[in-house]
Amino acid sequence: DQQVKQNSPSLSVQEGRISILNCDYTNSMFDYFLWYKKYPAEGPTFLISISSIKDKNEDGRFTVFLNKSAKHLSLHIVPSQPGDSAVYFCAASANTGNQFYFGTGTSLTVIP
Amino acid sequence: GAGVSQSPRYKVAKRGQDVALRCDPISGHVSLFWYQQALGQGPEFLTYFQNEAQLDKSGLPSDRFFAERPEGSVSTLKIQRTQQEDSAVYLCASSLDLGTRDEQFFGPGTRLTVL
Repeated sequence: DQQVKQNSPSLSVQEGRISILNCDYTNSMFDYFLWYKKYPAEGPTFLISISSIKDKNEDGRFTVFLNKSAKHLSLHIVPSQPGDSAVYFCAASANTGNQFYFGTGTSLTVIP
Repeated sequence: GAGVSQSPRYKVAKRGQDVALRCDPISGHVSLFWYQQALGQGPEFLTYFQNEAQLDKSGLPSDRFFAERPEGSVSTLKIQRTQQEDSAVYLCASSLDLGTRDEQFFGPGTRLTVL
């Protein structure tokens, strides 16, 4: 059973506009969340994280929002750039466990 | 080059063959994880090492899969008697901190194709 879900397999956004990638989870024990970016033939690269004591974390053009009651997090990229085109994975973990649970990814295309 | 490296990058095996996949984590990283990523899916956890101790192997799909990290640095994932369903990208990741309280740094992966 998929504990972390990314329901949009793909997203296209115009350069300069905002990209919003969504992620839902089912396990209420999850307390640490990350976003990874992946280019073809490369491993995922860490982008940004958030712990459950916060509801927002910002790093440059990237902001992650966490809504614990809805078990939902989102990644906002603004402004979007063509180099942001990649597959984005969200991942979650609980401090009682040893593994991250990944979503299936959203392929973002930023159109110049 | 301080990143995580994996070798080989690509491996083609005949069904029934044994394979060994190597991971060189970032020096000094305590935690090491192996993941299996099937086409169109996210990485799925296989096993976790804290230094040389394998603390969690709950994700290994069968007893044909075996992982070791004997000196707490390089790790090897071995798959015996490979099957077609083992075809996937195998990712290794390391992190400085214990468990899952820290970002993981991923290697480029080994793409295994079983014919």
